[in-house]
Amino acid sequence: DPKIIQKPKYLVAVTGSEKILICEQYLGHNAMYWYRQSAKKPLEFMFSYSYQKLMDNQTASSRFQPQSSKKNHLDLQITALKPDDSATYFCASSQEGGGGNTLYFGEGSRLIVV
Amino acid sequence: GEKVEQHESTLSVREGDSAVINCTYTDTASSYFPWYKQEAGKSLHFVIDIRSNVDRKQSQRLIVLLDKKAKRFSLHITATQPEDSAIYFCAASKLGYKLTFGTGTSLLVDP
Repeated sequence: DPKIIQKPKYLVAVTGSEKILICEQYLGHNAMYWYRQSAKKPLEFMFSYSYQKLMDNQTASSRFQPQSSKKNHLDLQITALKPDDSATYFCASSQEGGGGNTLYFGEGSRLIVV
Repeated sequence: GEKVEQHESTLSVREGDSAVINCTYTDTASSYFPWYKQEAGKSLHFVIDIRSNVDRKQSQRLIVLLDKKAKRFSLHITATQPEDSAIYFCAASKLGYKLTFGTGTSLLVDP
C-alpha cells in the first residue's frame, strides 16, 4: 500500500481556474515537501514544512499556497492556473526536516493546464 | 544557492557491464548526497546516499564515490540488469537545507 497518497493522480484544468492537490502521508514523518517536475526544468523544490510550520519556500509566485491542516497532510492550492504550471507535482516526506534525511515520494499528481 | 549538475543525460550499457553517472555540486558546505531512481511513469525511490564524512559507500551492486575537493560524486552500478533501466537523479544538500536535484540520467540496460 502506498504510504504517501496523492490525489488526484491526473487532472486537466482550464487556464485561470484553481485546483487543490492533496497529499497525506502515513509514515509518521514530521516533515513534508512539494516538488515539481516538468519537461523544462529538473525536479524543482517548492516548499517544506516541519511540524506543520513552513520552513522553506522557493516558489516565487503567491499563486501556490501550501495548506497543512494536520501533521500528516500538506495540500497545495494553485490559483489562476497558467499553461506553464503544467507539470507533475510530487509530495514527499521525511522523518525530520532539513538536509540529511531520506525523502519518500508520493506517486505524483500530473496537472495539465489548457 | 546550491546547483547540481548531472553530466550524462542518457547512458546506454549492455547487461552485465557497469554504469557510471557523474554529478558535480557548487556549495562546499553541502554534506549529504542521495541518489534516487525513477522508473517510467512512476515516482522517485531512494537508492543510496553518502555523507561528507566518507568518500565511498557500497550497497550491493551500488557504489557511491565522493570527491569533496572536486565537488564531485558518482554512482556506479555494477553487473547491470535490465531492471536497472530508469532515470537516476543525484541530489545535494547542506544539513538543515532542502535537497537540490540534478537533471536526471536516463539509463538503458540492453539485455
